[in-house]
Amino acid sequence: GAVVSQHPSWVICKSGTSVKIECRSLDFQATTMFWYRQFPKQSLMLMATSNEGSKATYEQGVEKDKFLINHASLTLSTLTVTSAHPEDSSFYICSARDRQGAGQPQHFGDGTRLSIL
Amino acid sequence: KNEVEQSPQNLTAQEGEFITINCSYSVGISALHWLQQHPGGGIVSLFMLSSGKKKHGRLIATINIQEKHSSLHITASHPRDSAVYICAVGRETSGSRLTFGEGTQLTVNP
Repeated sequence: GAVVSQHPSWVICKSGTSVKIECRSLDFQATTMFWYRQFPKQSLMLMATSNEGSKATYEQGVEKDKFLINHASLTLSTLTVTSAHPEDSSFYICSARDRQGAGQPQHFGDGTRLSIL
Repeated sequence: KNEVEQSPQNLTAQEGEFITINCSYSVGISALHWLQQHPGGGIVSLFMLSSGKKKHGRLIATINIQEKHSSLHITASHPRDSAVYICAVGRETSGSRLTFGEGTQLTVNP
């Protein structure tokens, strides 16, 4: 089946550091990738939708300059948390789909646990 | 009121029991997804359905579009089924975005 690889799976870094998370579709081309954030005991919250070759669409309340998304190829999207602070500590997870439309399945990565000291 | 509501929030069962998790939604949908999130955080897509019923191994998912309700059933539950099960809907008007329920924490004891 379709596989999405997310890297790294776990990051601990100091406040003020920028952290890049990669999301790769391994055996399909992903025209659309989604980035989610999940706090403990809560459900996933969509941060942004990225479409290959165009700017990401951010959800209300998500700072575009804080969470930089790049989807330069059909198999790779990256999320960069710039100047991270402790409140950015969370579980970040991506998903990808290879065709347009809400009726198509999303394939999820294993997530990245980010801890900012 | 959330657009997607799941019940129960927490469920504890003994190995071998038949389990049902329910999902109700209040918006028009193009598809409903059942997801499984393991303790480490990784998410697996179990089912995507827009009508009727689907079965995969010991898992069965049903949906009633008129009643805006879906159920996920697990037959002969096993401790390895312990996970958070999440219902998510693809809304007719929101393109590719999914709206998620809060999840059901299932614990199956041996």
